[in-house]
Amino acid sequence: GIQVEQSPPDLILQEGANSTLRCNFSDSVNNLQWFHQNPWGQLINLFYIPSGTKQNGRLSATTVATERYSLLYISSSQTTDSGVYFCAVKTSGTYKYIFGTGTRLKVLA
Amino acid sequence: EAGVAQSPRYKIIEKRQSVAFWCNPISGHATLYWYQQILGQGPKLLIQFQNNGVVDDSQLPKDRFSAERLKGVDSTLKIQPAKLEDSAVYLCASSWGRPSPLHFGNGTRLTVT
Repeated sequence: GIQVEQSPPDLILQEGANSTLRCNFSDSVNNLQWFHQNPWGQLINLFYIPSGTKQNGRLSATTVATERYSLLYISSSQTTDSGVYFCAVKTSGTYKYIFGTGTRLKVLA
Repeated sequence: EAGVAQSPRYKIIEKRQSVAFWCNPISGHATLYWYQQILGQGPKLLIQFQNNGVVDDSQLPKDRFSAERLKGVDSTLKIQPAKLEDSAVYLCASSWGRPSPLHFGNGTRLTVT
């Protein structure tokens, strides 16, 4: 089955810093989502981005499906950005979303 | 728009007992998913429904887990009997259709002692 790996596994930032999170996948996908899991365990949709680039405030994401990766950019990080970031992918011909290994982010005040 | 509703939020049971979780998806969402998230790991799909039919249950431990989605709306996930390794957060998600984003509920945190 498809493998989904995220890097880095852990990241500590000072408030105000920028960061890039990466999601690599081993097969072609037709859907990709980025989620933020907050310290209370809630999974929050960030982006639905099977290809191209999207921006939402301080966050933006780019998926290059042909090269099998997606990037999540966080600018001017805030303590509320802390948590775990997951990408989830779905391949054509299957029905299920497979989650990546996650990046645990801690933003220090 | 109301989100995905799940209950209970927390449950503590002893091993070999049974437990059930309930999920009400976003209105109009045809696809419903149950995921298991063990501490420190990403969510793992247990079962996926399209309306009231099962489209994937390949990772559901069928000797102890069961799920149903009557009338294509609400769903229940049951564990009987529970084992210590079933301690996890059980997440329900829904989507409008297959090529559309997932929306998650707040989850049920299960502790098996």
